[in-house]
Amino acid sequence: QVHLEESGGGLVKPGGSLRISCAASGFTFTDYYMNWIRQAPGKGLEWVSFISTTSSYIHYADSVKGRFTISRDNGENSLYLQMSSLRAEDTAIYYCATSRGSYRPLDYWGQGTLVTVSS
Amino acid sequence: QSALTQPRSVSGSPGQSVTISCTGTSSDVGTYNYVSWYQQHPGQAPKLMIYDVTKRPSGVPDRFSGSKSGNTASLTISGLQTEDEADYYCCSYAGSYTNWVFGGGTQLTVL
Repeated sequence: QVHLEESGGGLVKPGGSLRISCAASGFTFTDYYMNWIRQAPGKGLEWVSFISTTSSYIHYADSVKGRFTISRDNGENSLYLQMSSLRAEDTAIYYCATSRGSYRPLDYWGQGTLVTVSS
Repeated sequence: QSALTQPRSVSGSPGQSVTISCTGTSSDVGTYNYVSWYQQHPGQAPKLMIYDVTKRPSGVPDRFSGSKSGNTASLTISGLQTEDEADYYCCSYAGSYTNWVFGGGTQLTVL
């Protein structure tokens, strides 16, 4: 059974940095692209970034480009999002999700981790 | 402001049908048959309900169906059940630069 578990969220000051993680189990991690999607409090969903199976293809939303870095460790079945120069508008629940490719649907989602950017 | 436009709320009685619309542009919904729909209950992660406009993942009841006409996609839920009460988000592929765009979400109330 597919299981995705995010961790590492918390309170960080504007301009600060944070790394969040997603531990995957129950499926062949290397068969899937991995994505980060976020949801600001009381708001809709926003796709943030994806990484291909071998990390050769990475893409970011304009809103985070140059500030966020996605990575994965296939040996550890883990996905990461390094966030820097954080802004109040980055406050959101961050979900990791699988997909079979860059334009394939987001099949499975974790429960999310809350990142709060506030002084 | 979300890239795709959905009604903020819809409602229906058990057993009835409801349709949720999702309006985009010729850069997303109108060009690509990669529209998906996600169901989100309060405090839970989104769940894929429809993909590639009309396809249902294994385990999703056939009461859920999707369609598309021009720049507008639709999700229809027939035979409404109380457990269908949730937020629903549409999503469309929008090309290799933008990738995915979402709607603002529709709150479904089963009266």
